[in-house]
Amino acid sequence: DIQMTQSPSSVSASVGDRVTITCRASQGINSWLAWYQQKPGKAPKLLIYAASSLHSGVPSRFSGSGSGTDFTLTISSLQPEDFATYYCQQTNSFPLAFGGGTKVEIK
Amino acid sequence: EVQLLESGGGLVQPGGSLRLSCAASGSTFSSYDMSWARQAPGKGLEWVSAISGSGGSTYYADSVKGRFTISRDNSKNTLYLQMNSLRAEDTAVYYCAKVLLTTWGLDVWGQGTTVTVSS
Repeated sequence: DIQMTQSPSSVSASVGDRVTITCRASQGINSWLAWYQQKPGKAPKLLIYAASSLHSGVPSRFSGSGSGTDFTLTISSLQPEDFATYYCQQTNSFPLAFGGGTKVEIK
Repeated sequence: EVQLLESGGGLVQPGGSLRLSCAASGSTFSSYDMSWARQAPGKGLEWVSAISGSGGSTYYADSVKGRFTISRDNSKNTLYLQMNSLRAEDTAVYYCAKVLLTTWGLDVWGQGTTVTVSS
């Protein structure tokens, strides 16, 4: 089974900062990676699929990159509504797997 | 746009069973794959199971294989998760989600239903 490791587990940042979150797969997954945002008490929301494709309605300050085993989610200019927990998910093969999450907190 | 509504959660004793349902709006339910994910209190997301649009292919996490069964009734626009031999570690909010095209990314989520396994 493929394991997904996210880093850091938490990050403190200010509005306007550039934030980068990393996700590593235990084996190659081509570009089959999704990113989600989750706020407390709410269901996750899809941000990015296929590693770099922006889901409909997601602001362009979010971007994804990577292939193989190493992937990155970047928020180019952090906005107040972006404080949340972010998860990656490999969608290359079953069983699908989420990373452990990265909490973006206010500095 | 598709909307999903889960139901069937509740309190169950260890070793017991529960069936979750996920009702989908819209008329194209059979054309897309579906999935279940869960989140234990204070923990991260865990993928649980998935099913193809026709229902002919099913997939499970190792943690639930042999205990949980995913199914769907396309005539009723409803997804199910039959959970047997429940354990304390199955306590979580369970979400159903629609799969985006053929990516297995999850683009529409329900609001979740809570399952508590406790004596």
